[in-house]
Amino acid sequence: QKEVEQNSGPLSVPEGAIASLNCTYSDRGSQSFFWYRQYSGKSPELIMSIYSNGDKEDGRFTAQLNKASQYVSLLIRDSQPSDSATYLCAVNNQGGKLIFGQGTELSVKP
Amino acid sequence: DTAVSQTPKYLVTQMGNDKSIKCEQNLGHDTMYWYKQDSKKFLKIMFSYNNKELIINETVPNRFSPKSPDKAHLNLHINSLELGDSAVYFCASSQELAGGKYFGPGTRLTVL
Repeated sequence: QKEVEQNSGPLSVPEGAIASLNCTYSDRGSQSFFWYRQYSGKSPELIMSIYSNGDKEDGRFTAQLNKASQYVSLLIRDSQPSDSATYLCAVNNQGGKLIFGQGTELSVKP
Repeated sequence: DTAVSQTPKYLVTQMGNDKSIKCEQNLGHDTMYWYKQDSKKFLKIMFSYNNKELIINETVPNRFSPKSPDKAHLNLHINSLELGDSAVYFCASSQELAGGKYFGPGTRLTVL
């Protein structure tokens, strides 16, 4: 089992829709969770961090964490073509290492 | 103004050569990292330094040697380059080990 798992996609949504990206992790002792956005040929950019169960909202982005189910998700409301990118879920495990999922490619169609 | 910078951006070299990549951060962070992103876009940690001390050393060949002259710099030296070393290498920094990492622009290494 991979430490952090995501569907590789591509996930295609129409402009204005809600994009839902999901991630599961294996280390039950993990304490901090992150979502990164990576445009093609660019470096990963930190867009959300979440540390406790529940929802955290920042603009059009909402991160959701459920530690009991070992599940993290990212919702993007009112999706725009400029949101088209690969979204990387990352989890800080008990050893202090930031482990990345393989990324989900999102395509927002005008 | 660049928070985490790396040089060079592109590196093309022959098998067997030795090369270095330099990284600097001006965020005042205590912890710096090297990550490797392979052709399948999978990002994997290689090393982590906290205040110039090595704290994470993943299973990478000992041809890879990091060096941190001070907490704002973390360089990566690679000896005897192999074809499989071709990848994008990202430097990153964070205020603490459990915190979010801020990535540099990456160095695309191509070994011929």
